[in-house]
Formats: sequence, C-alpha cells, structure tokens
Amino acid sequence: QQQVKQSPQSLIVQKGGISIINCAYENTAFDYFPWYQQFPGKGPALLIAIRPDVSEKKEGRFTISFNKSAKQFSLHIMDSQPGDSATYFCAGQAAGNKLTFGGGTRVLVKP
Amino acid sequence: GAGVSQTPSNKVTEKGKYVELRCDPISGHTALYWYRQSLGQGPEFLIYFQGTGAADDSGLPNDRFFAVRPEGSVSTLKIQRTERGDSAVYLCASSLVAPNTGELFFGEGSRLTVL
Repeated sequence: QQQVKQSPQSLIVQKGGISIINCAYENTAFDYFPWYQQFPGKGPALLIAIRPDVSEKKEGRFTISFNKSAKQFSLHIMDSQPGDSATYFCAGQAAGNKLTFGGGTRVLVKP
Repeated sequence: GAGVSQTPSNKVTEKGKYVELRCDPISGHTALYWYRQSLGQGPEFLIYFQGTGAADDSGLPNDRFFAVRPEGSVSTLKIQRTERGDSAVYLCASSLVAPNTGELFFGEGSRLTVL
C-alpha cells in the first residue's frame, strides 16, 4: 500500500528557476511531514519538515506548503542551483517512529 | 564516529547464501532503524529498535530477515537464504529518541547484490 504518492518522478529546471514537488498522503494519522534530500551514493538527509497545524514553512530557499483538508503538501525550491540536483523524498510519520516515504523526485538543475 | 557507519558498503553474494549487514549508529542515539531502498524508489521501513529491543518489526518482509542490537548500540541485519529480489541498498538510521517529530540520521547504506 503506497501511503504517500509523490510527483513528478523527475524534473529539469534551469538555474534560478523554481522546482515544485507534490505529495499526497492517505494516512490521516500522520502528524509530521519531513522532506529528505539524497545525493547519489549517500543516505537521505533531512531538508525541512512541517507539522499539519501549519500551512507553510520556509527555510531559506526551501518552502513547504501544506493543505490538510486535501491531504497534500508540496516542496518549492526557489532560485534553484546546480548543487540542488538530487533526489527528494517526502514522507509522513504517525505517532511513534517509522517514516513512510514517497517514491522520490529526481531534480536536475541545469546551469 | 561523526555519523552513522554501515559496513560493508557493497556486498555481492550468490542466491541462497547468508549475509550480515552492520550498522554503527551515532554515539548516544537510542533509536535505530533499518530501511531498504530499491533502485529508483523511496526507502521502505524494515525494523526499529529502541535500546536493545525491537519496538516495531512490522516491515520485515519474511522470516528470512532478522535484526539484532544486543547492547543497544551496534545493530546487525541478517538475511538468510538470499534471493535475487533481496538486491537493494539497506539503509540504517539513528536518532536520539524515537522521533515523533525528530530527525533521522542515515548512513550511506550497504548495497546488496544477489546473483
């Protein structure tokens, strides 16, 4: 059962552009929604996270928008840089411990 | 160490063999997680330890998979009678406590190839 659906699978953006990744979840017990960034050959690393009582969270060039009623959330990467080229995973976490990850979005930022 | 350490980084084995994958978490982290990541997919939860005990092993796919953490630090994931479908990157993560809103720190993974 895929509890977190992520799209697109891949995207290409020009340097300075905006990257947008969307996620939809099914499990209403999720109460924490992190985004992880993964470079080839490395493990995922936490990028930014949001709780469902907040509609938006911004950290530098990265913004999460959260729509609880639609059970959707998205990551916006502003002023995309070549160093942002990586795979991004959204996730949901219910009370407890385990994260349920989306399928990932491979982002390529062209210089 | 500074981060989560996993060994071996690569393991090639033949179908039917037994393998062990080791995880050394960040010092002081009480919670330890194993995930499996197949090519082009997101990590899938396998098992979670709080201290020495497995608090949640609901993600282990079958009884060929087993994990231990005898002293509450290093953990070993054990796979018996390996199958080609077991080929994946096995990721280990640790955190200070079982996070409800906390960060998981991942290692670089052990890439398992079953021929």
